[in-house]
Amino acid sequence: GENVEQHPSTLSVQEGDSAVIKCTYSDSASNYFPWYKQELGKGPQLIIDIRSNVGEKKDQRIAVTLNKTAKHFSLHITETQPEDSAVYFCAASSSGANSKLTFGKGITLSVRP
Amino acid sequence: EAQVTQNPRYLITVTGKKLTVTCSQNMNHEYMSWYRQDPGLGLRQIYYSMNVEVTDKGDVPEGYKVSRKEKRNFPLILESPSPNQTSLYFCASSFGGTARTDTQYFGPGTRLTVL
Repeated sequence: GENVEQHPSTLSVQEGDSAVIKCTYSDSASNYFPWYKQELGKGPQLIIDIRSNVGEKKDQRIAVTLNKTAKHFSLHITETQPEDSAVYFCAASSSGANSKLTFGKGITLSVRP
Repeated sequence: EAQVTQNPRYLITVTGKKLTVTCSQNMNHEYMSWYRQDPGLGLRQIYYSMNVEVTDKGDVPEGYKVSRKEKRNFPLILESPSPNQTSLYFCASSFGGTARTDTQYFGPGTRLTVL
C-alpha cells in the first residue's frame, strides 16, 4: 500500500519568513496530493491540492509543487503569519475504485511573532 | 451551514462499557470515514463507507464497528472499549463514493479516554 512520509516533524520559522514542508510517497500510481491544515482543537481542513497532471499550484501565499519522478511533493508558505501555526498533513491517493487517501504523520509549524 | 457534526466532543469512560460516537453530515455526501489521531502516528483510517449499507475496513478496524443505515449518519461503535482506544477521533465525508480524490470535510473531533 501507499506510504507517505513527512519531514521534518516540527518546523519553527520567524514571522515573515517562508516555510517549506516536504512529503514523499511510495506508490507511483498515486495521482492526487492534498494538504490539510489542523488548527488547535479543530478537525483538519483542506488548504490546497495538486493532481499529477501539473507540477505546481498556487493560491495566494500557499503553493504546492510535485515531482512525480522523485515521488515527492512540497508545501510552500510565503510571508508566514502567526495564524499559519498549525499541524499540516500531506496525503496521497489514486483514483481507482479500491484506492484510499493515505495521510502522513503531520508536521507542527510554529511561526514566531 | 455545510458541516460534519460529531457527538460527544469529549468522553471519559471505563473499560468494557459500550459506547457510540455519532457522526452526521448535511452535504449529501456519499463517502464517510472514521479516523483516529494519535501523537506520532498521524491520521489512521478505522472504517469507511462508500454509500448506504456499504462499509469496509480501514487500516485499524480492530475493536470498532460502524453502520450506515442512512446517508447522513455514520456512527462509530466501541462494543468493549479498552485503554488503547484512548484517542482523538475524527469523522469525515466527501462527495464521491468511489474516487479518493475529493475534498474530505472533517468533523471537530471526539476526544475519548478509556480508563
